Amino acid sequence: DTEVTQTPKHLVMGMTNKKSLKCEQHMGHRAMYWYKQKAKKPPELMFVYSYEKLSINESVPSRFSPECPNSSLLNLHLHALQPEDSALYLCASSQASGGSYEQYFGPGTRLTVT
Amino acid sequence: GESVGLHLPTLSVQEGDNSIINCAYSNSASDYFIWYKQESGKGPQFIIDIRSNMDKRQGQRVTVLLNKTVKHLSLQIAATQPGDSAVYFCAEETNAGNMLTFGGGTRLMVKP
Repeated sequence: DTEVTQTPKHLVMGMTNKKSLKCEQHMGHRAMYWYKQKAKKPPELMFVYSYEKLSINESVPSRFSPECPNSSLLNLHLHALQPEDSALYLCASSQASGGSYEQYFGPGTRLTVT
Repeated sequence: GESVGLHLPTLSVQEGDNSIINCAYSNSASDYFIWYKQESGKGPQFIIDIRSNMDKRQGQRVTVLLNKTVKHLSLQIAATQPGDSAVYFCAEETNAGNMLTFGGGTRLMVKP
């Protein structure tokens, strides 16, 4: 199984809402990632979890809060977002650090903030 | 032909021709490189990778070339098919691992 799944596929939320994005993989990968992708732009790294611990936070605003409950799951909690946060949010996983490895991406959650 | 401007660079090729997509990477310390394909509405899909101790790697219908002297990466697609139409991103990573930096992307359009 080389699949990364993400839910929901689409999400529309108001600026006062609280919502969560979910990501799951069963490849035994111990590194998981959140990326943000705007239209016609490359993915931009937000967070990296390695062995369920946050290892990289690319200066992301606190209205985005990641969580890694176990080695297969990754969440991104959203609160008080701005319209400019509308984007495709991608989750990825790979073998953990100790070298460079291919990252497997999920299909993304298309987020619209109104 | 290839056009570069304010929008995503686009390469338009005839079905059956070979395609070459180029990428200039930024970090001379990068030692791992990946090409991803992203179709509309989908996440990036791994195509092929190469490590810095190699200058060429071949897959099925795809070849990646790495020139570390000029920090240049290219993806060659043989006998391009309509299903190859997508946006292609190169990505680089240093030996520290876990941090992929993506290039700007090139849209490949295949004309039947």
